[in-house]
Amino acid sequence: EVQLVESGGGLVQPGRSLRLSCAASGFTFDDYGMHWVRQAPGKGLEWVSGITWNSGSKGYADSVKGRFTISRDNAKHSLHLQMNSLRAEDTALYYCAKATYSSFDYWGIDFWGQGTLVTVSS
Amino acid sequence: QSVLTQPPSASGTPGQSVTISCSGSSSNIGSNIVNWYQQLPGTAPKLLIYFNDHRPSGVPDRFSGSKSGTSASLAISGLQSEDEADYYCAAWDDSLNGWVFGGGTKLTVL
Repeated sequence: EVQLVESGGGLVQPGRSLRLSCAASGFTFDDYGMHWVRQAPGKGLEWVSGITWNSGSKGYADSVKGRFTISRDNAKHSLHLQMNSLRAEDTALYYCAKATYSSFDYWGIDFWGQGTLVTVSS
Repeated sequence: QSVLTQPPSASGTPGQSVTISCSGSSSNIGSNIVNWYQQLPGTAPKLLIYFNDHRPSGVPDRFSGSKSGTSASLAISGLQSEDEADYYCAAWDDSLNGWVFGGGTKLTVL
């Protein structure tokens, strides 16, 4: 059974940093691309970032480009999102999600974690 | 303002059929596949339809997807109370180099 468990969320002041993690199990982690998708309270889904199976290619939404960095550790079956210069508009539930294939483009997401909440406020 | 346009709400009575539309452009739906996700209240999204019109195992055949040009649709037949959820379409956008979602459609079963 595929399991994705996010951690690292919390309350952080504007301008500060936070690092999210996602522990994956139940599938061959290093065969698949991975994503981060967020959902602001009461709002819709917004793709944040994606990474290929071997970290060879990464993509970011314009809203986070230059501030967020996605990474993965295939040996530890983990995905990370380093978030710097956080803003109030980054407040959201952040989902870790598994790509359908080895890339993060075209085929999309086939499984989602339960999310970790990030609140940016002074 | 979402790149993909969905109606904010839809409704129907048990047993009825309902269709949810998703409108995009040549850089997303027009040139790439469409996936649909169901988000039940208080839960994570779940893949409902992939590659325009394919159902993952376990998804009832009451759910079907289609795509034509720069638009896609999700049809639900034989509505059940447990179908009350938010539904999102998604596609890769070649211009933005990222995934784009519709704003979501809240389905109410009356």
